[in-house]
This record gives sequence, C-alpha cells and structure tokens, in this order.
Amino acid sequence: DAGITQSPRHKVTETGTPVTLRCHQTENHRYMYWYRQDPGHGLRLIHYSYGVKDTDKGEVSDGYSVSRSKTEDFLLTLESATSSQTSVYFCAIGGEQGAPYGYTFGSGTRLTVV
Amino acid sequence: GENVEQHPSTLSVQEGDSAVIKCTYSDSASNYFPWYKQELGKRPQLIIDIRSNVGEKKDQRIAVTLNKTAKHFSLHITETQPEDSAVYFCAASIGGYQKVTFGIGTKLQVIP
Repeated sequence: DAGITQSPRHKVTETGTPVTLRCHQTENHRYMYWYRQDPGHGLRLIHYSYGVKDTDKGEVSDGYSVSRSKTEDFLLTLESATSSQTSVYFCAIGGEQGAPYGYTFGSGTRLTVV
Repeated sequence: GENVEQHPSTLSVQEGDSAVIKCTYSDSASNYFPWYKQELGKRPQLIIDIRSNVGEKKDQRIAVTLNKTAKHFSLHITETQPEDSAVYFCAASIGGYQKVTFGIGTKLQVIP
C-alpha cells in the first residue's frame, strides 16, 4: 500500500540485544522518517533522512542510530534494546516541496523489549 | 524546537453532531499544519492540511482553521458518523514540510 513497507511487523527481543527495523519505499522520495508512537506522547521523531547517507537526529534519538545507503531503504537500529524502547515504530515518507505535502506512513512495527 | 499541544485528549459525540479538536503551536515560524487520522491498529493517514498563507480549508465534512496571531489551529468535523471514530493528530512544521511535530492525539468516539 502506498509504496512503503516496514519489516518486521512484530518483534519481541531481549534487553541488551541490538535490533534493526527496515523501511523500504518504491516512491523515490528524498525524505524518510522514523517515528515512535506511545500512549500520551503521540508520534515523536527519532531520526530522519534527506538523502542517501544524509541523516539527522529528531527529538528522541538517544539509543537509536540510522543508515540510508540507498534511496529506497532506511534502517533504524536500537543499539542495545531497553524496555523503554518498547513501542510502535512508524516509518514515513514525504514532506517534498511539491504537493502532496503530507506524510505517507508504513504499517508500523510493534516492538516489545523483555 | 516546535511544541504542539492538543486538546481534548478524548471526545465523545452523538452521531450527527459536530466535533472540534484544537491545537496550539509554539514557534511562530511554523508554516504547515497537517491533520492525521489513525483508526485502531492502522497507520496514520493524512486527512487535510493547511499552509500558513491560508486561514481556512474545507473538504466535504471536515474543515481546518488557522489563527496565526494566536498560534492555534482547529479541526472541525460536521455531521459525524461512526466511521469518524479514530484518533486524530494535529501537527506543525517549521520552514517547510519536513520534520513535522505531532500533538498527543485526540480519541474521538462517535456514538450511534
């Protein structure tokens, strides 16, 4: 749907292990984003990318890193997972200068850290 | 950075009534204000957006208004239907359409 897919859809991992989430788009968008969604906090930006190998931090970037080696793929890595990183993670594309201006979100990854 | 406050956090209305969700933003440089709807278990989807050079925008039963002086914007849904039940997020961005900051969301329940 809408040319953006996330994998995996669900994951359970243990505290202290590294975890990588993948976002893949077929829309050739320049901008890609990772958000996390938690009750009472809405959607908060973790990292974003404005081109291949061009990334920057969002408001909740501690404990996360990203990479973008190709236009279509944006990876989010939890370097050493903690229980506070249990969340639903959404990738998004969009924010281009031409209409439509809004984001298209992926289906989300539900991550549980035990 | 930008801060977006949204209220109410929950809203219940009778089918056919109107619903209003209000948001305020902190940075006067914000110039793009989208609204997203998220149904249970689904991804957020853009339903309407407004840019700072426009005071009001309508699309069928939904409308957004923007008051730049007061730094607040609102979503209005008229003739609500059960399928309008969802969580609605307001958002704002500074200087373009990237790096959007979201409000905490409003859970709207339309009672048949």
